[in-house]
Amino acid sequence: DQQVKQNSPSLSVQEGRISILNCDYTNSMFDYFLWYKKYPAEGPTFLISISSIKDKNEDGRFTVFLNKSAKHLSLHIVPSQPGDSAVYFCAASAGNAGKSTFGDGTTLTVKP
Amino acid sequence: DAGITQSPRYKITETGRQVTLMCHQTWSHSYMFWYRQDLGHGLRLIYYSAAADITDKGEVPDGYVVSRSKTENFPLTLESATRSQTSVYFCASATRLAGYTFGSGTRLTVV
Repeated sequence: DQQVKQNSPSLSVQEGRISILNCDYTNSMFDYFLWYKKYPAEGPTFLISISSIKDKNEDGRFTVFLNKSAKHLSLHIVPSQPGDSAVYFCAASAGNAGKSTFGDGTTLTVKP
Repeated sequence: DAGITQSPRYKITETGRQVTLMCHQTWSHSYMFWYRQDLGHGLRLIYYSAAADITDKGEVPDGYVVSRSKTENFPLTLESATRSQTSVYFCASATRLAGYTFGSGTRLTVV
């Protein structure tokens, strides 16, 4: 049973518009959530995180929203840029564990 | 340089051969991980380690062996490589708040 799901394998957005990437989880013990970005031929890199005590965290063009009751989080990128084209992974962890559970990723394409 | 280093970057090996992928980190993070990435599967956890001399299986451990005698090193060994183990392998180290830091990956081809 997949505990972290990214139901959209791909997303295409016009440059300057908003990109919204979604992630659902099933384990109510998850209390820390992270997003990673991956370019081809590179390892994933940490993008932004949110603790379950918050419902929003913002870092420049990137904002993560957490809806605990729905077990849903989303990553908003505004405005989207062609350089944002990458695979985005959602991840979740529980307690003090350093181990996270990853979703399968969403490929974002931002068209000029 | 500080960071996490994987070697080799590319490897071609024959079916049945033993091959070891190396991973070295300079931060002394307690957690280290090995993932494989295949089309349609995202990142699948092979093995992880919470500390030196402590390792545990992930989702897809069969055919792989790990060791962690030192905090900074976490090698992954394919005991008898199979074509199904052709993949891109990522090593990572982690802390809870900082999340994962991944290496650049090893592209392994088993022929």
